[in-house]
Amino acid sequence: KAGVTQTPRYLIKTRGQQVTLSCSPISGHRSVSWYQQTPGQGLQFLFEYFSETQRNKGNFPGRFSGRQFSNSRSEMNVSTLELGDSALYLCASSLVGDSTYEQYFGPGTRLTVT
Amino acid sequence: GENVEQHPSTLSVQEGDSAVIKCTYSDSASNYFPWYKQELGKRPQLIIDIRSNVGEKKDQRIAVTLNKTAKHFSLHITETQPEDSAVYFCAASAANYGGSQGNLIFGKGTKLSVKP
Repeated sequence: KAGVTQTPRYLIKTRGQQVTLSCSPISGHRSVSWYQQTPGQGLQFLFEYFSETQRNKGNFPGRFSGRQFSNSRSEMNVSTLELGDSALYLCASSLVGDSTYEQYFGPGTRLTVT
Repeated sequence: GENVEQHPSTLSVQEGDSAVIKCTYSDSASNYFPWYKQELGKRPQLIIDIRSNVGEKKDQRIAVTLNKTAKHFSLHITETQPEDSAVYFCAASAANYGGSQGNLIFGKGTKLSVKP
């Protein structure tokens, strides 16, 4: 099976712009979670989507949003970019059901805000 | 909310020695504890996990132990090899059976260096 894929892999944006990142989960996986990774704050949970519904949300401002499509692919959007949004954005997919809790990460999108 | 503390932040061992990384968590509702290995420039890779109804789990040279009463869990790597060098993250979540996977709350990471 193909792993979790994310596009684009690298992105450079200017303050005030907005950005959309995409995540395709492992085939059959229905849950997608997003995380932000920075050297200072480490790995922080953004949100989780399942069946096109947001089920959990981390402590991030409303500028961070996401959605999930019927094929389980997910996108996250960051509006009005700030310098502090520079980070590696990781998505993780998991198979819901039968007490399977494992989350598998994609390669990430490296966002640089200048 | 949940808080996960991880120690040490850096660990240097000689090849063949054992390495131990410890984590504590605060939320008694947490029931799933995975460990991830992240090599430089790569994605976090799930290496082992444990659930709250199990005290210990082993996979070849890697083992994880969980003490629910004390709210701490540990990763043990035996016979370390240079390719074990990476950053290791512990995490905790309150996953629901067949439902939400919960949000993983991560420790800050341990940079393990295995010297040949």
